[in-house]
Amino acid sequence: RKEVEQDPGPFNVPEGATVAFNCTYSNSASQSFFWYRQDCRKEPKLLMSVYSSGNEDGRFTAQLNRASQYISLLIRDSKLSDSATYLCVVNIRTNFGNEKLTFGTGTRLTIIP
Amino acid sequence: ETGVTQTPRHLVMGMTNKKSLKCEQHLGHNAMYWYKQSAKKPLELMFVYNFKEQTENNSVPSRFSPECPNSSHLFLHLHTLQPEDSALYLCASSQDMTSGGDNEQFFGPGTRLTVL
Repeated sequence: RKEVEQDPGPFNVPEGATVAFNCTYSNSASQSFFWYRQDCRKEPKLLMSVYSSGNEDGRFTAQLNRASQYISLLIRDSKLSDSATYLCVVNIRTNFGNEKLTFGTGTRLTIIP
Repeated sequence: ETGVTQTPRHLVMGMTNKKSLKCEQHLGHNAMYWYKQSAKKPLELMFVYNFKEQTENNSVPSRFSPECPNSSHLFLHLHTLQPEDSALYLCASSQDMTSGGDNEQFFGPGTRLTVL
């Protein structure tokens, strides 16, 4: 089983629609969780952290379910500029006290005018 | 210069060449990372340095050799590479590896490597 699993897509969504991405992780010792965004031929950038209580940043809402080892990202009122690959990222504390990010393959989103 | 910079941005090399990738961060961070990104595969962590000490080596072949002379600079020395090593090599930095909680990693633009 992959450490972090995402539907690779592509998701082709009309502008203004709501789109949801899901992600599952295998290591129950995972400490913290993130969504990163990667534009075509660019580097990944942090979009938002994901907390157990759920968190919202404008049109973006992230949820975490530790019991099911499941993370989600919801984008409302999608814009053309939301077109990118969305990476689910899990942070694991190793036995040496270090932190290690594990990335999913990413879900590719294209917003259609 | 701000953020994380990488040079060169593009590199084409033969299997017998020796080259080096350079990364520099201007964020005052203490942890630096090398990742490999191949098509249709997740980012693969290669090496980690925390306070200039290598803390992680993810079973990377010896034809890749990292060097971290100080907390701001990270190199990846390449020799006798194979065509399957062609990929985007990303450098990242973060505050450190033991700060707990959110420890955002900032990525450089990457070096697009092609091995002929």
